[in-house]
Amino acid sequence: EIALTQSPATLSVSPGERATLSCRASQSVITYLAWYQQKPGQAPRLLIYDGSSRTFGTPARFSGSGSGTDFTLTISGVEPEDFAVYYCQQRANRRTFGQGTRLEIK
Amino acid sequence: EVQLVESGGGLVKPGGSLRLSCSASGVSVTSVWMNWVRQAPGKGLEWVGRIKSRTDGGATDYVAHVRGRFIVSRDDSENTLYLQMNDLKTEDTAVYYCFTDDVWDSRRGEKVDYWGRGTLVTVSS
Repeated sequence: EIALTQSPATLSVSPGERATLSCRASQSVITYLAWYQQKPGQAPRLLIYDGSSRTFGTPARFSGSGSGTDFTLTISGVEPEDFAVYYCQQRANRRTFGQGTRLEIK
Repeated sequence: EVQLVESGGGLVKPGGSLRLSCSASGVSVTSVWMNWVRQAPGKGLEWVGRIKSRTDGGATDYVAHVRGRFIVSRDDSENTLYLQMNDLKTEDTAVYYCFTDDVWDSRRGEKVDYWGRGTLVTVSS
């Protein structure tokens, strides 16, 4: 099974700052990686798929990059509604999720 | 509009069984790969298992520590996905979601996901 390791576990930023979240796979997932946002009591919401493709409803401040084993989700200027938990998910072999990064207000 | 609605959760004793349902509308559970994922209280997401589409053979896959205890199936006539859970353990306590991902939406020109709202399973004596 492919393991995903996210870092950091918690990221504290002020609104307007840039946030950089990382996801590392135990073996190559090519670009079959997605990013989700989850808020309390809600199902996860897809933000990015295939490494860097933003969904229609995802604001342009969110961007994904990477290939192989190392991926990054960047939020160029964090808005108040962005404080949530973010998960990466690999789709190369079955499915695995990372353990999540909590984005909190500094 | 696509909707996935889970049901069947509840309180069960260790060693017991439970069957979860995921009723679909707006999408055929036969034509997409359907998954179950769970989230223990205060924890992250854990993929549990899936069933491939009929055109892809309909095979099932599971995460290692539920293999042999959990079974994913579907009823094409009811357009419903199931998760049969046997020999339940306290560590199976979680909200269980059904979802399908990697679905190409030709109208929007992008891949989409569909998720249910989840159903809570509590395993406790």
